[in-house]
Amino acid sequence: AQSVTQLGSHVSVSEGALVLLRCNYSSSVPPYLFWYVQYPNQGLQLLLKYTSAATLVKGINGFEAEFKKSETSFHLTKPSAHMSDAAEYFCAVSALNSGGSNYKLTFGKGTLLTVNP
Amino acid sequence: ETGVTQTPRHLVMGMTNKKSLKCEQHLGHNAMYWYKQSAKKPLELMFVYNFKEQTENNSVPSRFSPECPNSSHLFLHLHTLQPEDSALYLCASSQGLGLGGYTFGSGTRLTVV
Repeated sequence: AQSVTQLGSHVSVSEGALVLLRCNYSSSVPPYLFWYVQYPNQGLQLLLKYTSAATLVKGINGFEAEFKKSETSFHLTKPSAHMSDAAEYFCAVSALNSGGSNYKLTFGKGTLLTVNP
Repeated sequence: ETGVTQTPRHLVMGMTNKKSLKCEQHLGHNAMYWYKQSAKKPLELMFVYNFKEQTENNSVPSRFSPECPNSSHLFLHLHTLQPEDSALYLCASSQGLGLGGYTFGSGTRLTVV
């Protein structure tokens, strides 16, 4: 079974500082990994995805994530935080369901990012 | 309209009421999903439909009844809910097997009183 662990339910950074949100996964097969962002009173928006191509994945809004198989990690980074980055971020791993008809996403518990002026 | 649209955005219902949540996708996707998002809990997958056939039911109580009349529309019928069912209900859709990720709607905030 696949699972995702997000380290730190709340991360606080200053505007302009590095953003690092941690995600570790467990998967019995090569994983497909995703980061989603959720702004208040909104649904989830796809930031980026890893699907076994390049290990460094670039997404929207200046975010990127690096797949490290040896560490079973897929941490999300952004060099310089902006006030508009304040939101909740979810890491997810994709696995084929038992019937083989769909890949279903299993989400971590989320990390709330606060950006201080 | 584009993307995934959910209505209503907010719903307050009594425990004896019957209501329905609606989801519509304008992306030509073949799969649709219902997720429940409660405070301090991971997103919970409830139901999966692929080409309007249910392919997954994650042991959801029968007071939640999904309906998928076609690949573009998904409903969640609610009856005799409990206060612990209060949550944000998210609908999503995907193309093919869903490897490219899902597109989510903005959700329905449900409060059971």
